[in-house]
Amino acid sequence: EAQVTQNPRYLITVTGKKLTVTCSQNMNHEYMSWYRQDPGLGLRQIYYSMNVEVTDKGDVPEGYKVSRKEKRNFPLILESPSPNQTSLYFCASRGGMNTEAFFGQGTRLTVV
Amino acid sequence: QQQVKQSPQSLIVQKGGISIINCAYENTAFDYFPWYQQFPGKGPALLIAIRPDVSEKKEGRFTISFNKSAKQFSLHIMDSQPGDSATYFCAASLINSGSARQLTFGSGTQLTVLP
Repeated sequence: EAQVTQNPRYLITVTGKKLTVTCSQNMNHEYMSWYRQDPGLGLRQIYYSMNVEVTDKGDVPEGYKVSRKEKRNFPLILESPSPNQTSLYFCASRGGMNTEAFFGQGTRLTVV
Repeated sequence: QQQVKQSPQSLIVQKGGISIINCAYENTAFDYFPWYQQFPGKGPALLIAIRPDVSEKKEGRFTISFNKSAKQFSLHIMDSQPGDSATYFCAASLINSGSARQLTFGSGTQLTVLP
């Protein structure tokens, strides 16, 4: 089954404690991206990757890092999480420039 | 600065009624306009999409109307059903300066269809 898998689904952490949210896709897609979803703001892109070792900032990259060492994986790293990063995060992948984006099921992160 | 403005924020419709969600954009470089449907606990899923060279696209009960000159587009759900209850996001897409296709989302509309 074609899917984008995120882990964990839920995470509560404390301010400043580094964390990683993993994202994996089994569709051999080149494009992957991370979004955060906040009430009244829709989804905003954090980072995206056009291929292995090629990443770029989206609209709200501050406080986040990503890496793309393998085509299937695109982890989101919060080096020093802060409460304003409490949000619902989605990973997405796309096969080509003009193809549909597939989203994971989301990771709800709470930073206290 | 929100490049895609969506309204209303929430919508309640009776079963069998028509649901209408509106979006407006500013950037004329957008060349692809998808709508996503999101159920609680799930990620958004593509519902229907349109390109600016057509004024309307229909798929089953779902229709996108597109007005290029007004820079507006809307989603119409005919014969709305309780199973349509979800959050709907409009989006606009372009190829950015880095040659990547980028999606910009509206703020979302929570649709409730009463039985």
